Amino acid sequence: AQKITQTQPGMFVQEKEAVTLDCTYDTSDQSYGLFWYKQPSSGEMIFLIYQGSYDEQNATEGRYSLNFQKARKSANLVISASQLGDSAMYFCAMREGGSYIPTFGRGTSLIVHP
Amino acid sequence: GAGVSQTPSNKVTEKGKYVELRCDPISGHTALYWYRQSLGQGPEFLIYFQGTGAADDSGLPNDRFFAVRPEGSVSTLKIQRTERGDSAVYLCASSLIGHSTDTQYFGPGTRLTVL
Repeated sequence: AQKITQTQPGMFVQEKEAVTLDCTYDTSDQSYGLFWYKQPSSGEMIFLIYQGSYDEQNATEGRYSLNFQKARKSANLVISASQLGDSAMYFCAMREGGSYIPTFGRGTSLIVHP
Repeated sequence: GAGVSQTPSNKVTEKGKYVELRCDPISGHTALYWYRQSLGQGPEFLIYFQGTGAADDSGLPNDRFFAVRPEGSVSTLKIQRTERGDSAVYLCASSLIGHSTDTQYFGPGTRLTVL
């Protein structure tokens, strides 16, 4: 079974609108971490946001927030006020327990229209 | 400060040849990771270094792949007898101490094409 599932291969959003990118995960560990990365066409993976499984508050970083629903095992990324520069691939990843190695999903391509 | 750098940015080689890909991590980062990213996929883990030693090489697909980090900073991924299926983007990342909550910072990758 896939550990990280990103069901949206592509998403489109109008500039200045908010968009939600879906991510569900599968683990039996109680301790784990969830990450979102952005990969523009240049290829570099850019860290966006982190949520620990024991964190009670949803993580936020500027225009990025993580909608963490533990019971549903979902960790959706919300981007508010989309900008043209947000057009990129977005990857959800999870580290389980004490592992140093994250498992990545297949990614969602986001295109922001003017 | 400088981020993670990788050289070359692009490498084209012929089937059967040997290639080396280099990664310069962020200064002071003790943990270094190599990933391979095929088209339409997320990065797949290859190997993880803590200092000079390979702490986890379970992701290396076969014995044609080898990586070193002799002085605990720069790392080289070596691929022998390249095959067309090795064509991918090879990403390197580093993190401060390798803790499970550490943020990994990625380089721009090396695009390897095996003809």
